[in-house]
Amino acid sequence: AQSVTQLGSHVSVSEGALVLLRCNYSSSVPPYLFWYVQYPNQGLQLLLKYTSAATLVKGINGFEAEFKKSETSFHLTKPSAHMSDAAEYFCAVSDHGSSNTGKLIFGQGTTLQVKP
Amino acid sequence: NAGVMQNPRHLVRRRGQEARLRCSPMKGHSHVYWYRQLPEEGLKFMVYLQKENIIDESGMPKERFSAEFPKEGPSILRIQQVVRGDSAAYFCASSPAGTQTSGITSTDTQYFGPGTRLTVL
Repeated sequence: AQSVTQLGSHVSVSEGALVLLRCNYSSSVPPYLFWYVQYPNQGLQLLLKYTSAATLVKGINGFEAEFKKSETSFHLTKPSAHMSDAAEYFCAVSDHGSSNTGKLIFGQGTTLQVKP
Repeated sequence: NAGVMQNPRHLVRRRGQEARLRCSPMKGHSHVYWYRQLPEEGLKFMVYLQKENIIDESGMPKERFSAEFPKEGPSILRIQQVVRGDSAAYFCASSPAGTQTSGITSTDTQYFGPGTRLTVL
């Protein structure tokens, strides 16, 4: 069975500083991994996804994530935070194991605060 | 191309009433997933449907909850006799394909709607 753990429910950075949001996964099959962003009272928007191609994945708004199999991690980074990055971020793994339905299994989410 | 549409965006019900949540997938998408986001929790999968078929309902509560995706019209998530614990944001997502008939899961992205926020008084 797949699962996702996001370390740190709240992360605070200064504008212009590095953003690092941590995600570790557990999967019995090669995982498909996703990062979504949710702005207040809105739905989820896909930032990027890993589907067994290049291990460094570039997404929208300057975000990227690196798949590290040895560490079972898929951390999200952005070199320089912008005020508009303040939101909640969800890491997810796609269930394509035993049930094979593609449903997403989400982490608990990390709220990113950006200070001026 | 319009995105995933959900209505209503906000729904208030009293305990014991019924709630009907609608989801219109993106054009060309025939696969719908429903997720629930309880306060202070992440999103949890509820049900996965294709047109006229429920493929996986392993995340649905055993009672009071049902879902459908008819040949014509939106997908409906129905909650009967709502209780306060049903208060949450309900999101649907659509994709062009989920599990293919061959059993190979597509890596197609799921596109999320804006959600319906259900409040039970």
